[in-house]
Amino acid sequence: GQQLNQSPQSMFIQEGEDVSMNCTSSSIFNTWLWYKQDPGEGPVLLIALYKAGELTSNGRLTAQFGITRKDSFLNISASIPSDVGIYFCAGRAGGTSYGKLTFGQGTILTVHP
Amino acid sequence: SAVISQKPSRDICQRGTSLTIQCQVDSQVTMMFWYRQQPGQSLTLIATANQGSEATYESGFVIDKFPISRPNLTFSTLTVSNMSPEDSSIYLCSVVGTGDSYEQYFGPGTRLTVT
Repeated sequence: GQQLNQSPQSMFIQEGEDVSMNCTSSSIFNTWLWYKQDPGEGPVLLIALYKAGELTSNGRLTAQFGITRKDSFLNISASIPSDVGIYFCAGRAGGTSYGKLTFGQGTILTVHP
Repeated sequence: SAVISQKPSRDICQRGTSLTIQCQVDSQVTMMFWYRQQPGQSLTLIATANQGSEATYESGFVIDKFPISRPNLTFSTLTVSNMSPEDSSIYLCSVVGTGDSYEQYFGPGTRLTVT
């Protein structure tokens, strides 16, 4: 089955630093989604990408859909303490697979003030 | 975006019992799904909740263990039957938004502990 490799598994950074994480897949996806999950909460959608090569920003967050459709990255600029949480990438194949998201293992982000 | 609520938010249950989790969406949605997140793990799709027909289950999940109902376009239930400690997880309802974006949203989750 499809697998997503998300890296790094965890990051410890200082407030103000930039962060980068990425996901690679063994197969092609039509959609890439990035989520943030806080403890005790459900994942919150940060950015959705629908086209190969697409670069999308949401405030301090920027994500790109890889040209090969097998990878995506998420950058966070000028990190702040509230960025702490677990970030997940998710791929969706589309067609009859709509709604079937394949998730990466998550990146645990810790921001030191 | 769709606003999703789940009940209960958490529960502690004894092995051998069953728990029914409710998912309510603030707007009509075509697609609803149930995911499981085991402790410290990522999310795994359990099934697609189909309105008016039997749910579609992913490999490794069966109807007898996880019966699902979806009586209308805004509501679904997931039952975790004959629970064991291995069922201790967060169970999440998910919907695909309406319109052209097809963004996918998750509820707050139900944290289940089986003792």
